[in-house]
This record gives sequence, C-alpha cells and structure tokens, in this order.
Amino acid sequence: GQQLNQSPQSMFIQEGEDVSMNCTSSSIFNTWLWYKQDPGEGPVLLIALYKAGELTSNGRLTAQFGITRKDSFLNISASIPSDVGIYFCAGHNDYKLSFGAGTTVTVRA
Amino acid sequence: EAEVAQSPRYKITEKSQAVAFWCDPISGHATLYWYRQILGQGPELLVQFQDESVVDDSQLPKDRFSAERLKGVDSTLKIQPAELGDSAMYLCASSLRTEAFFGQGTRLTVV
Repeated sequence: GQQLNQSPQSMFIQEGEDVSMNCTSSSIFNTWLWYKQDPGEGPVLLIALYKAGELTSNGRLTAQFGITRKDSFLNISASIPSDVGIYFCAGHNDYKLSFGAGTTVTVRA
Repeated sequence: EAEVAQSPRYKITEKSQAVAFWCDPISGHATLYWYRQILGQGPELLVQFQDESVVDDSQLPKDRFSAERLKGVDSTLKIQPAELGDSAMYLCASSLRTEAFFGQGTRLTVV
C-alpha cells in the first residue's frame, strides 16, 4: 500500500503554544485531508486540500498542500485543552485514500 | 447534519464465533469504505465499494471476512470465525468525491 510518514509521533505542548505536524510520502496525491480522532470515536475531517501549494485555514488550524504533492503540514495556533487527540493525515489519489499513523497531541494546562 | 451510522458501537464475541457490523452511509454517497484501526495506528482499508461494486478488497482477509453492499446503500461487514487478532475498531466511511466522512466505529473485542 501507499506509505504516509507522519511526524512527530507524539507531542506534549503547553496551552497557548503553536503546534506543527507534517506528513510525507513517496507517492503523489491529488487531495490531502487532515482528521482529528478523539478516544473511542471515528476520525472527524478538519481540513481538505485540493491543489499543490494550497494553504487553507479553519479557525486556529492551517494546512498546506506541498508543491511536490508528496507532503502536507498542519499547524494549530494557540492550543487549548480540547486540541488533545490524535491527528491523522490522509492522501487521496486515483480512488485510494491512505492514512498516516497519526500524531498524538497532549496539552499541558 | 448528515452522518454515517454504524452499529453496534461495541461488540464482545468469543473466538470462532461469527460477528457482523452494519453501516449506513450519508445519503447520496456512492463510495463506501470499511477500515480497521488497531490501537495506536492509523486506519487501514479493508474494502472499498463504488455503489454496489467492490473497487478494492486487496487487504481483506477473504478466508474469514466478507463484505456486501447489495443495493448500493448500506453495507455489512462479517467476520467468521473471529480470531483474537481481530480485536480492533472497525470504521465505516462514505464519500461523494474525495473527502471521506466517518461513522463512530464499532469497537470489537474477541475473547
């Protein structure tokens, strides 16, 4: 299958700090998606990116579709306790949607 | 707001028993996915449908797993017989284009 390498694997951050995570792959994707998953729940779509170079914001979240189409990053600004969770990147090409292993974010109050 | 419905939320079954999961996608979504997620890992595709046709089941363990979407709407994923290693979260998702929307999942525990 297509491998998406997500980093970091986990992070502890102070409330109010900015967070950055990224996803890289050897495959080219037509769409990059970012999801957040809370314990025991299904992933929830945060941001969708459709074009190389695209920068998209959703509240405190900002994501970019890499120019090579092989990478994407997600930034969270001014983190708050409810940002705790696991963030997944997903890449879509042809008909396949593949996921990274996730970045676990823990916020210190 | 339209949602993907999955049932049951939780299932405990003994190994060698049969188990089935149900998914009702968002109305109008032609693509339906079944993913398996082991704790600490990302979702891994088991099977993908386009309407009632299987598009990809290359990672489905076909000796024990089966999936159907007979009328191109709701879908059932079955495991028979269940093994201890099948304990995981089973996620259903649907999409109209490329964005997939997930249900709450079924947490399966095989004992």
